[in-house]
Amino acid sequence: GAGVSQTPSNKVTEKGKYVELRCDPISGHTALYWYRQSLGQGPEFLIYFQGTGAADDSGLPNDRFFAVRPEGSVSTLKIQRTERGDSAVYLCASSLKAGLPYEQYFGPGTRLTVT
Amino acid sequence: AQSVTQLGSHVSVSEGALVLLRCNYSSSVPPYLFWYVQYPNQGLQLLLKYTTGATLVKGINGFEAEFKKSETSFHLTKPSAHMSDAAEYFCAVLSGGGADGLTFGKGTHLIIQP
Repeated sequence: GAGVSQTPSNKVTEKGKYVELRCDPISGHTALYWYRQSLGQGPEFLIYFQGTGAADDSGLPNDRFFAVRPEGSVSTLKIQRTERGDSAVYLCASSLKAGLPYEQYFGPGTRLTVT
Repeated sequence: AQSVTQLGSHVSVSEGALVLLRCNYSSSVPPYLFWYVQYPNQGLQLLLKYTTGATLVKGINGFEAEFKKSETSFHLTKPSAHMSDAAEYFCAVLSGGGADGLTFGKGTHLIIQP
């Protein structure tokens, strides 16, 4: 079956611009997670949704970052006034439900470059 | 707070040799531990996980890991390396009831020499 998909695969934007990154989870998965992976680092948790609501957004670095999941399926990560330090691979994962024993399945990521 | 330390950003082994990737964690509550593999331009794939019960866990592709509470370690091993094992490996911990996001180590790049 189809896995987690993310679009675009690559995004180049200028400093100060607004970007949206999309995640399509596996059908039927109620939990959705966003992570950020900077060069040479492991993924860093940003936010997760259980259904439509953000259950934990403690990893969002500042108020320029925002994520939505209005219908409990597709999610969009939004970054305002992008900075060069936002350059990273943004990973999305979904699981049937939040928490164990449900495995998180990861998408291939969106590589964001801010020039 | 929880954290993961992976010793060695790069590990090189010969094909057919033992693979040992080290992972140490800190957690204020009993942890759940994971190893993920990441091939170039692909998503993270779960290799194995420890939740409760048997401390030696077996995963896919011949990998296994042993949870040692006294050493706060969860090292990944494979008896005989294959060229296809070349990839980035991440150790991760989940605590706080298990419903939060994973905390990852910085990763270890495994290089297989022919």
